[in-house]
Amino acid sequence: GQNIDQPTEMTATEGAIVQINCTYQTSGFNGLFWYQQHAGEAPTFLSYNVLDGLEEKGRFSSFLSRSKGYSYLLLKELQMKDSASYLCAVLRYGNKLVFGAGTILRVKS
Amino acid sequence: GAVVSQHPSWVICKSGTSVKIECRSLDFQATTMFWYRQFPKQSLMLMATSNEGSKATYEQGVEKDKFLINHASLTLSTLTVTSAHPEDSSFYICSAIGRVGYEQYFGPGTRLTVT
Repeated sequence: GQNIDQPTEMTATEGAIVQINCTYQTSGFNGLFWYQQHAGEAPTFLSYNVLDGLEEKGRFSSFLSRSKGYSYLLLKELQMKDSASYLCAVLRYGNKLVFGAGTILRVKS
Repeated sequence: GAVVSQHPSWVICKSGTSVKIECRSLDFQATTMFWYRQFPKQSLMLMATSNEGSKATYEQGVEKDKFLINHASLTLSTLTVTSAHPEDSSFYICSAIGRVGYEQYFGPGTRLTVT
């Protein structure tokens, strides 16, 4: 089976740092994606990890531990526009993406 | 590069009618396209995988006779919702991958409302 868990909602303050965790159990693993999705819009790509470790890209970083089935997305210097849903998705063999339920992040001033 | 478009962006139809949604890769050839459905406040659920020139592969629980998928060319896939019912109202999103790589490029989505 497959199971991807992430918190339902998080709230953080503008300028702060927030970490969104994702744990997964899947049969077949070919990497992990993080997407950002604003309401009523399609997901936009944030990061992809296939090897253990931290990938940094500007204000966003993503970490993966394959042995622990764990990933997190780190957002620094939060801005109001970062308020969105963040989706963790596992890439399985056959290029199929399995999405978590998403974490709604609310950034307050 | 790697732009995917969908048409229409929103559609309202009456119960019992059929609706066709187009997904196009504008600047690359998409060997594989995926169709997802997303209900309010839920995540994306994969409906089917579509490979150019072959029959689509449907996920468990998705009725292939109700959701007809055609991937006639390397830049176009269509999803037809046949005999639509109010419970089919949802946000339908397609994605595409090219000949090389694994990253999926998502279309902007189509909001379907069945009255």
